[in-house]
Amino acid sequence: GAGVSQSPSNKVTEKGKDVELRCDPISGHTALYWYRQSLGQGLEFLIYFQGNSAPDKSGLPSDRFSAERTGGSVSTLTIQRTQQEDSAVYLCASSTTGTRFGNEQFFGPGTRLTVL
Amino acid sequence: AQSVTQPDIHITVSEGASLELRCNYSYGATPYLFWYVQSPGQGLQLLLKYFSGDTLVQGIKGFEAEFKRSQSSFNLRKPSVHWSDAAEYFCAVGKTSYDKVIFGPGTSLSVIP
Repeated sequence: GAGVSQSPSNKVTEKGKDVELRCDPISGHTALYWYRQSLGQGLEFLIYFQGNSAPDKSGLPSDRFSAERTGGSVSTLTIQRTQQEDSAVYLCASSTTGTRFGNEQFFGPGTRLTVL
Repeated sequence: AQSVTQPDIHITVSEGASLELRCNYSYGATPYLFWYVQSPGQGLQLLLKYFSGDTLVQGIKGFEAEFKRSQSSFNLRKPSVHWSDAAEYFCAVGKTSYDKVIFGPGTSLSVIP
């Protein structure tokens, strides 16, 4: 596709349920990033992938959060036993070879997660 | 640790007036610096970036930013604001040795007729 896509665009779930959020990066982009944006807040870094490996998981808020990337392409962010404080917009971005080379990130439209 | 501050949470300017959004970073070496804009209901879009070379960089939509190493700043400017510029603006800093970008808290811009 032409840009980064994310699905679903909106997700409403009950507290305690597990959710999976999907990100399809731009074809050929080796770097993929996940961020969380809470209401009125900036972007909170969660995790980034270079290929299929995740050199930096430091931003994951708790062990309920995990992410994987397969085939150097699609990534899934999983939140287990969701809590109300997990409600936020989850943004995915991809970059050609990584921001260390000054490459920009291209952002998807986000998934708005609401935990009731 | 890297950090980015945007001292102004919210700014209101009149249409046609000039604009300056402030950004300060802390980092030991020359960073990569970015400005992104998030319009209501839209995704984040890159306005401009500083990678190396000329410290005054031009971006899209008539924006420019100046990297000042001595002040650890990368302020965004526009000489004449349009109503369509109302949005959230984020400054971000990256490292030359690592593929991670830290975003500032953002500045919300309102434009009044």
